[in-house]
Amino acid sequence: SYVLTQPPSVSVAPGQTARITCGGDNIETKSVHWYQQKPGQAPFLLIYYDSDRPSGIPERFSGSNSWNPATLTISRVEAGDEADYYCQVWDRDSDRWVFGGGTKLTV
Amino acid sequence: QVQLVQSGGGVVQPGRSLRLSCAASGFIFRSYGMHWVRQAPGKGLEWVAVISNDGSNAFYADSVKGRFTISRDTPKNTLYLQMNSLTTEDTAMYYCAKAFQAAVGTPPDSWGQGTLVIVAS
Repeated sequence: SYVLTQPPSVSVAPGQTARITCGGDNIETKSVHWYQQKPGQAPFLLIYYDSDRPSGIPERFSGSNSWNPATLTISRVEAGDEADYYCQVWDRDSDRWVFGGGTKLTV
Repeated sequence: QVQLVQSGGGVVQPGRSLRLSCAASGFIFRSYGMHWVRQAPGKGLEWVAVISNDGSNAFYADSVKGRFTISRDTPKNTLYLQMNSLTTEDTAMYYCAKAFQAAVGTPPDSWGQGTLVIVAS
């Protein structure tokens, strides 16, 4: 089965740039989606189809999937960005959705 | 706006069954696929199942295939997850989520508040 690998944790100072990676076999051939989840809350969609932002998501959040690993970049990090971040892909070979293990961002 | 109101969680003994519901509003339910995703206590997200907008396609995680059934009732704008032969490994918060488009290969883009399922004797 397809596996997505994320670092368990990333730490960044306020105002700096955080990069969260998501690795998988030939991931650049798949569409990667990113979710943010804060404690006690449901996840919500942050980036879809590699780099698109739903309405209301600040431009500080961006995604790329031009090479392995795919990356979520958070610019000018704020204290409120502290959360768990998950990547996700649709594995056409198995008709399964797959989540990465999640990355805890500490600001 | 999209609203997904979940119900049906609770405490259940191993081997028993439970059905979760997800009442949808604020969008044209019959036009979108729907997902179930779960999260065990202190763990990451695990995708459970997806169903297409018209119910013609449904896929499951290996961990639940053959035990869980996803279904939808379009006139009632409601999504279901029938869970049979529950084990302690199924203990988790269960989220329903609207898909981005009709097909099963589109990601969840709006999530319910979650409903907790505890499997314990």
